[in-house]
Amino acid sequence: GENVEQHPSTLSVQEGDSAVIKCTYSDSASNYFPWYKQELGKGPQLIIDIRSNVGEKKDQRIAVTLNKTAKHFSLHITETQPEDSAVYFCAAGLTGTASKLTFGTGTRLQVTL
Amino acid sequence: NAGVMQNPRHLVRRRGQEARLRCSPMKGHSHVYWYRQLPEEGLKFMVYLQKENIIDESGMPKERFSAEFPKEGPSILRIQQVVRGDSAAYFCASSPIRSGTGAGHSPLHFGNGTRLTVT
Repeated sequence: GENVEQHPSTLSVQEGDSAVIKCTYSDSASNYFPWYKQELGKGPQLIIDIRSNVGEKKDQRIAVTLNKTAKHFSLHITETQPEDSAVYFCAAGLTGTASKLTFGTGTRLQVTL
Repeated sequence: NAGVMQNPRHLVRRRGQEARLRCSPMKGHSHVYWYRQLPEEGLKFMVYLQKENIIDESGMPKERFSAEFPKEGPSILRIQQVVRGDSAAYFCASSPIRSGTGAGHSPLHFGNGTRLTVT
């Protein structure tokens, strides 16, 4: 089955700096890679996703890059703000309605003033 | 638009009791997924259901755990004879029916979870 590794487990940045979180996956068949943000006491919220036919996707301050050959993908948050503080999870899966996702172990991002 | 609704938010059970967790998917969604999250860990897939059908239960423990998604009403995750190791946050997610053809993916929308504590 799929195995997703995520690094770092914790990340502290100053407000305004950039944050990068990296994930690797094992199953070359995986072709869908979402990122979720989880705030304390809440469920994960989808913030951005990318499919394997795309190398990079950007949405305002958030971008995701995918390297299919190396089987890794990364989340980039620029101009971080205190409200970006949360736990971020990467995941990998297959497109199609019947797919299930394999999640990484999460990165706790702390944005300090 | 109501999101995925889970109840109860918190559930305390003594060892040996039964726990019932409910999930109402987003309106128009017919696919339901249950995930379990242990403290400081990621989410682990448990089961995927459509109305009246279990599609994939490869992540469900073989004993004491069961899930259903009846024609009417919420999806239920049932844990019989709970043990301390069952203490975790249980999240439900839903996705819509995929329309059309092609390689689309239906994003998962998660509820806020049920935090089960077994004493």
